[in-house]
Amino acid sequence: GEDVEQSLFLSVREGDSSVINCTYTDSSSTYLYWYKQEPGAGLQLLTYIFSNMDMKQDQRLTVLLNKKDKHLSLRIADTQTGDSAIYFCAESGRDDKIIFGKGTRLHILP
Amino acid sequence: DVKVTQSSRYLVKRTGEKVFLECVQDMDHENMFWYRQDPGLGLRLIYFSYDVKMKEKGDIPEGYSVSREKKERFSLILESASTNQTSMYLCASGDRAYEQYFGPGTRLTVT
Repeated sequence: GEDVEQSLFLSVREGDSSVINCTYTDSSSTYLYWYKQEPGAGLQLLTYIFSNMDMKQDQRLTVLLNKKDKHLSLRIADTQTGDSAIYFCAESGRDDKIIFGKGTRLHILP
Repeated sequence: DVKVTQSSRYLVKRTGEKVFLECVQDMDHENMFWYRQDPGLGLRLIYFSYDVKMKEKGDIPEGYSVSREKKERFSLILESASTNQTSMYLCASGDRAYEQYFGPGTRLTVT
């Protein structure tokens, strides 16, 4: 079945890079996504990558996709206190559904 | 900007009450979704809708029903609320196979 796995917690010092990893099972996924959820808010699409790409960069964000290993990562350069949030990895599933991971809580150390 | 609004940010209801959660989107999206979010369980899909008056069960539909009488509005109904339905409820809308836009969520407490 479709499944997305990610670690639940990551702690990073302010100014360092954060790398959040994710594995997925459905090799037919067309899109892979990273969503951000700040405290008390809904989910916000951070970035996405089409399945025929292996990298996408957007300012401080870099997404790497290893389709062979079904591994997706999100790198946040120069992590700031405002990056503190829960980050959800997701894949496009059948019937236009999106399959979400359980979320990685990113904690920023001063 | 896409806007998805939910009728309440916080709601407290008693066991056995009928509860309506409303969601409205302003981008003419065909697809709308209801999720619940619980600690350690992530987002779980309750119901979704492809078009007006059309609905499909998600992963955890038991105890819920939905209504989509107009394209912009998708309602989640708890026929008889129970304490295990205390959760954060998130509505989303989006175009096919691309992305979903989320509302701010409704935190429902059933006592």
